Amino acid sequence: EIVLTQSPATLSLSPGERATLSCRTSQSISSYLAWYQQKPGQAPRLLIYDASNRATGIPARFSGSGSGTDFTLTISSLEPEDFAVYYCQQRTSWPITFGQGTRLEIK
Amino acid sequence: QVQLVESGGGAVQPGRSLRLSCAASTFTFSTYGMHWVRQAPGKGLEWVAAISSGGSNEYYADSVKGRFTISRDNSKNTLSLELNSLTTEDTAVYYCARAASGGTYFDYWGQGTLVTVSS
Repeated sequence: EIVLTQSPATLSLSPGERATLSCRTSQSISSYLAWYQQKPGQAPRLLIYDASNRATGIPARFSGSGSGTDFTLTISSLEPEDFAVYYCQQRTSWPITFGQGTRLEIK
Repeated sequence: QVQLVESGGGAVQPGRSLRLSCAASTFTFSTYGMHWVRQAPGKGLEWVAAISSGGSNEYYADSVKGRFTISRDNSKNTLSLELNSLTTEDTAVYYCARAASGGTYFDYWGQGTLVTVSS
C-alpha cells in the first residue's frame, strides 16, 4: 500500500497570503496525484488531478506541482472560502489511498 | 449537473448488515467507474471499494474485503454497497463518488450517508 504523508497537519495563514501544502508518497507514483478540498459538512471537491491539472471550475489561484514522491499544492492568494481541509490522493496502484489531510485555518 | 444521492444509512448493532444505495442522474452512468469512500467522525478519507463501468471488476480495501460487496445496476443507474459483519470501526459517513474519465480520481461526490455501528 502506498502511504501518503501530508504536511503540515495545520497551517495558519491570513487572507491574501500564499499557502503551500505538501504531500509525500512512500514510493514513486509518477504524476498520478490529486488534491481535494473539504469544508465542514460537505463532500470533498476535486481541485487538481495528475499533479498539476486544475479540475473544471477551479480558480487559477490553485496550482499543483511535483512528480515521483514529492508534491505541492499552492494557493497563491488566500480567499476567505479557501479555509478548509485539503487531502491528496494517489491512483497509481490499488488500494487507492489518501493523505491524512492538512487543515488550513485562519490566523 | 451530475447528481449522486446516497441512502440506506442508519444505526445498526455490531455484527449486523446494511445496504447502501446511490442513485445517479444526469450523466451516462454505465460509462463510468464508481467508488465508495468513507470518513469516520472527525477523521480523514478512506477509500472503500470500486466497481468498473460494466460491473465486471471489483476492488476493495483490505479493511472491508470479505465483508462488503459493491454492485451496480446500470439499467437503474444505481450503485450499491452491501455491508456485512459490521463493527464499530465501520462507523462513518459513506460517500459514493464517480471516477473521472481517464483516471481513478473522484470528480463528483454524493452528500454522504451516515452509518453508525453501536450496541
